[in-house]
Amino acid sequence: GDSVTQMEGPVTLSEEAFLTINCTYTATGYPSLFWYVQYPGEGLQLLLKATKADDKGSNKGFEATYRKETTSFHLEKGSVQVSDSAVYFCALSPFMNTGFQKLVFGTGTRLLVSP
Amino acid sequence: DVKVTQSSRYLVKRTGEKVFLECVQDMDHENMFWYRQDPGLGLRLIYFSYDVKMKEKGDIPEGYSVSREKKERFSLILESASTNQTSMYLCASSPTSEGETQYFGPGTRLLVL
Repeated sequence: GDSVTQMEGPVTLSEEAFLTINCTYTATGYPSLFWYVQYPGEGLQLLLKATKADDKGSNKGFEATYRKETTSFHLEKGSVQVSDSAVYFCALSPFMNTGFQKLVFGTGTRLLVSP
Repeated sequence: DVKVTQSSRYLVKRTGEKVFLECVQDMDHENMFWYRQDPGLGLRLIYFSYDVKMKEKGDIPEGYSVSREKKERFSLILESASTNQTSMYLCASSPTSEGETQYFGPGTRLLVL
């Protein structure tokens, strides 16, 4: 079945460091790919998404490129801030012939940024 | 802004109790979802609904039921709570027009003793 694998955390960085969180997926067809972020004490919120191969999603300085050849959607940011400390979830939405979409989530990666 | 609210942030219940978790969204979304979030397991889909009075099982429906009598409200019911249902429960909604983007509530942390 469809699945998402992301790197184990926590990822610990100093402020202004470069961030990469790896995400790979297994799916049939052409899923859409997402990164959601969960700040402490809050629900998840959409960070960025990409709906087809080679698309790049970006938001708040974060980027991820849909790589079909490597089935990957790695999250990157050039310079992290303390306020980026959160749990990041990679997710996919398998193609479905209905008006709604289910999401399949990875296990989440906790990012801790120190001043 | 889309708002998804959940009735409680924290709940403590006893084994065997019937537990109701309520979720309300204010954006007229057709689709609503219930997930549980556990360390190392990510989010797992319990049930979802794509219309009033319609419901579909997700990946882990055992021990749960749901109710959607009104479009804005989606309830998760634990008929007889057990300790292995101690978890964080997240509700989400999405509009059919957007399809893929889900909007999440803040979560309910449930402890079953």
